[in-house]
Amino acid sequence: EVQLLESGGGLVQPGGSRRLSCAASGFTFTTYSMSWVRKAPWKGLEWVAAISGSGDRTNYADSVKGRFTISRDNSKNTLSLQMNSVRDDDTAVYYCAKDNSYGNFESWGQGTLVTVSS
Amino acid sequence: EIVLTQSPGTLSLSLGEGATLSCRASQSVSTSHLAWYQQKPGQTPRLLIYGTSSRATGIPDRFSGSGSGTDFTLTISGVEPEDIAVYYCQQYGASPPTWAFGQGTKVEIK
Repeated sequence: EVQLLESGGGLVQPGGSRRLSCAASGFTFTTYSMSWVRKAPWKGLEWVAAISGSGDRTNYADSVKGRFTISRDNSKNTLSLQMNSVRDDDTAVYYCAKDNSYGNFESWGQGTLVTVSS
Repeated sequence: EIVLTQSPGTLSLSLGEGATLSCRASQSVSTSHLAWYQQKPGQTPRLLIYGTSSRATGIPDRFSGSGSGTDFTLTISGVEPEDIAVYYCQQYGASPPTWAFGQGTKVEIK
């Protein structure tokens, strides 16, 4: 059974940093691209960043490019999102999601809440 | 950048009534990369349909997807109480790699 468990959410001040992690199990981690997707209060789902199975290719939404960094440690089956220079509009539940090899998200974690506030 | 526009914003239905949710893309989308998700209140999103018309594991057959080009549809044939949720379409474009969601359609019971 695929399991994705996010951690690292919490309160962060505007301009601050936060690192999110996602522990994956139940599948061959290196085979699949992974993404972070977020849902802000009263808004819809927004794709944030993606990384290939080997970790050599990354992609970012324009809203986070230059501020967020996605990475993975295939030896530990862990996905990460380093969030720097956070803004109020980064407040959201952040989900890690497993790609189904067609660019869709077939498995999701339970999410971790990041609140940006002073 | 492909923009997905969903309509209607909210769909109010009676139990047992059929539902048709629309997703329109700003340019042509590969049918292989078009998906639909369900997010119930307080829950994680769940993949319903991938490849435009293939149901994900465990999804009831009252959910079906169709479409091509720029127009895609999710149909619920007979809404049940557990279908109260927000439904999102999503596409992946390969060159350059981009992922996009529609803004969602809320399904509620009258």
